Formats: sequence, structure tokens, C-alpha cells
Amino acid sequence: SQQGEEDPQALSIQEGENATMNCSYKTSINNLQWYRQNSGRGLVHLILIRSNEREKHSGRLRVTLDTSKKSSSLLITASRAADTASYFCATDSGAGSYQLTFGKGTKLSVIP
Amino acid sequence: DTGVSQDPRHKITKRGQNVTFRCDPISEHNRLYWYRQTLGQGPEFLTYFQNEAQLEKSRLLSDRFSAERPKGSFSTLEIQRTEQGDSAMYLCASSLYIAGGLQETQYFGPGTRLLVL
Repeated sequence: SQQGEEDPQALSIQEGENATMNCSYKTSINNLQWYRQNSGRGLVHLILIRSNEREKHSGRLRVTLDTSKKSSSLLITASRAADTASYFCATDSGAGSYQLTFGKGTKLSVIP
Repeated sequence: DTGVSQDPRHKITKRGQNVTFRCDPISEHNRLYWYRQTLGQGPEFLTYFQNEAQLEKSRLLSDRFSAERPKGSFSTLEIQRTEQGDSAMYLCASSLYIAGGLQETQYFGPGTRLLVL
């Protein structure tokens, strides 16, 4: 079953604009990760944020985590056409279970 | 690239046939995971290994599915008597687990796309 729900399901923006994607999850988590997937390809790890962290940055990426609302957001600044992909959040519940539970993803299109 | 490789990248088979996929993880990684992804969905966990031991299996892993990691390095996923519903992308991931450490990042391979006719 899917733990997370990304919002929006699809997002289309112009190159240079910022893109914000949101993820909500249902149960308590140990960590939350964001992955990118180009069409028909494997997943590329972007960033991991632990449950005791509130914000994390990596290059043009900014991730926030609000455990009280069970939600996270991924911000991509100054988007590029190469950012066109699907973005997934994935959670693990800890407690000895290391499987990742993914949402359905947000499909981002960056128009040159 | 992440360093996880999968073979084959694409497989077309007829219903009822058996198929086997291979995953080679990043060399120093002791954990290996299998996921399945259908169109428009996120990946769903199937099973994982720590070294050669299979530690967790999802309810999605019916008795037609079997996974092995005999020497704690590469892994195979076999599907017997394939059904059209098995058509999906099968993804492998690996990670380095250190006892007592925090959750590690899982690195994914390119996937094997299976089409059952």
C-alpha cells in the first residue's frame, strides 16, 4: 500500500521558475527521502531528512519536514528543462523495518 | 550512475513462462532490496536481504516469486508461471547497513521492465 501522497500529481512550469511538491504520509516515520525518476528509468536519490530535522538543503533543492502534520515539501529553485521527471517521497517507519514506502509521485514538466 | 546494475533491462515473455532477473548491488553494500513499480504508481516493496539472509518479504511476494542472494553479493528474482498482472518494472536497490547506525540511503538500479503477453 502507498504510504505517501504527493501533491500535485502533475506540475508544469517555465524554466527558471521554482517548483514546489508536497508529500503527506500516514504513520510515524524514521526518515523521509525524495527520489527523482526520469521516464522509464530507475530512481535517483535526491535528499534524506530525518524525523528530528525540519529543513535540509542540497544545491537547488530545499526539503522541509513537519512531523506534526505528517507532511514534507520539496522545493526546486531556478528549474531547468533537465529537472523534468517524476518526483517521489519515500518513508521508512524504523522499528526494524527498512522497506521504503513510496507515494504515487508528482510529474514535473519544465518548459524551456 | 548509482552503481547498481540490473539485467536484463527489458523482458517480454508469454504468460505461463518463467523469468529470472539479476541485480548486482554496489560492491560494499550488504543490503539489497527488490521493489515493483506499475505504471503511474510509486515502487512497492517486495523483499530485502542482509548479506545472504532474506529478512523481510511483502505480502505482494506470492509463492510464484522467489528471490535469492546466495553469496551475499548479486541477487536473482524469479517469477514462475508468469501472469499478465506481473507486467511491471522490477527495481533493485542496495544500501550499506551499519549496526546501531541511522537509516541508510537506498541506491536504485535502472530496473528491468517486464511485459507478459
